[in-house]
Amino acid sequence: GAGVSQSPSNKVTEKGKDVELRCDPISGHTALYWYRQSLGQGLEFLIYFQGNSAPDKSGLPSDRFSAERTGGSVSTLTIQRTQQEDSAVYLCASSLGQGPREQYFGPGTRLTVT
Amino acid sequence: DAKTTQPPSMDCAEGRAANLPCNHSTISGNEYVYWYRQIHSQGPQYIIHGLKNNETNEMASLIITEDRKSSTLILPHATLRDTAVYYCIVRRLSGNQFYFGTGTSLTVIP
Repeated sequence: GAGVSQSPSNKVTEKGKDVELRCDPISGHTALYWYRQSLGQGLEFLIYFQGNSAPDKSGLPSDRFSAERTGGSVSTLTIQRTQQEDSAVYLCASSLGQGPREQYFGPGTRLTVT
Repeated sequence: DAKTTQPPSMDCAEGRAANLPCNHSTISGNEYVYWYRQIHSQGPQYIIHGLKNNETNEMASLIITEDRKSSTLILPHATLRDTAVYYCIVRRLSGNQFYFGTGTSLTVIP
């Protein structure tokens, strides 16, 4: 079946502009996660959704970052007033509910802020 | 969640077993050990997970010490396609986020 998809695959934006990144999870997966990976670094957790609610936003690095999920499916991660340090690969993952279930990752969106 | 420690890099000859260690000395009783890998320019891929018993699947084996303070991921016959960064993650049942460290960069050498 179809895996997690993300769009766009690449995004180049100017400093100060807003960007929206989209994630389509695997059908039926109620949990959705956003991570980012800066060059040469490990994955950094950003936010987790269970259904449409986000019980854990602790990883969002600043108030310029926000995310929403509607209909228990698609999620968008919005970065306002982008900065150069926001340049990274943003990864989305989904899983079946809670508990020790593996997360399935999408291919990521490479964001470059110039 | 408990913190994990992994060597930054390892080499392995093609066809030989790759043994990737992970220390998680502060692991608690309800935390699972997960392994993921990330091949260059791709999203992370799930490999295996376990609580206290050793586990084996079509990709790898996971050996967890009796005190659960460390584990080893074993790729029985490494191929060039196994070259990737391997992440050892400890995760509790409540909450679902995975905290990834910088992992071990495994290079399989022909």
